[in-house]
Amino acid sequence: EDQVTQSPEALRLQEGESSSLNCSYTVSGLRGLFWYRQDPGKGPEFLFTLYSAGEEKEKERLKATLTKKESFLHITAPKPEDSATYLCAVHPRSIIQGAQKLVFGQGTRLTINP
Amino acid sequence: DTGVSQDPRHKITKRGQNVTFRCDPISEHNRLYWYRQTLGQGPEFLTYFQNEAQLEKSRLLSDRFSAERPKGSFSTLEIQRTEQGDSAMYLCASSRSLTDTQYFGPGTRLTVL
Repeated sequence: EDQVTQSPEALRLQEGESSSLNCSYTVSGLRGLFWYRQDPGKGPEFLFTLYSAGEEKEKERLKATLTKKESFLHITAPKPEDSATYLCAVHPRSIIQGAQKLVFGQGTRLTINP
Repeated sequence: DTGVSQDPRHKITKRGQNVTFRCDPISEHNRLYWYRQTLGQGPEFLTYFQNEAQLEKSRLLSDRFSAERPKGSFSTLEIQRTEQGDSAMYLCASSRSLTDTQYFGPGTRLTVL
């Protein structure tokens, strides 16, 4: 069964303190791995898509990387406005035609203190 | 592009009542998805449409749940005889193709009393 596990569940950092969030996944085949940001009471906001091991994507203070078993979301010199829940999701390859679902982890709640 | 929109944003209902939610996808996206998210968890897949055809349904989608996408545009999700366990955020997403990113709407927060 396809599974995604994110760690830690919650992370509290001081402004400017860099860190990484982990997403470990088990899938029969990977079509893509996605990172989303979710603010309280809102829908997930797309950040990155990664398709193959070794791929990296960057956006402002965030950088996502991918290996064959996990992905990392590195946050450099974070600011209070980076506080949110960060969700990782995999799009598994499936023998079922049209299978489209994303499988999400439970998220990492990130709090940046000023 | 205007984003995915959902209506209503919040719904409070009594147990046993029926509720219906609407999702309007991004205009050129022919794929539409429904997910459910409970507190502290990631979204869980419910169902998927390609144009007007419902191609996949999760085991989570009991007989009390039904979804439609007439004419391949907006979609509705109906829950009949609501139960307290149905309380959750219902999220809609859309994408342009099989491998394209799924973009999410703001969600509908359902509270069943």
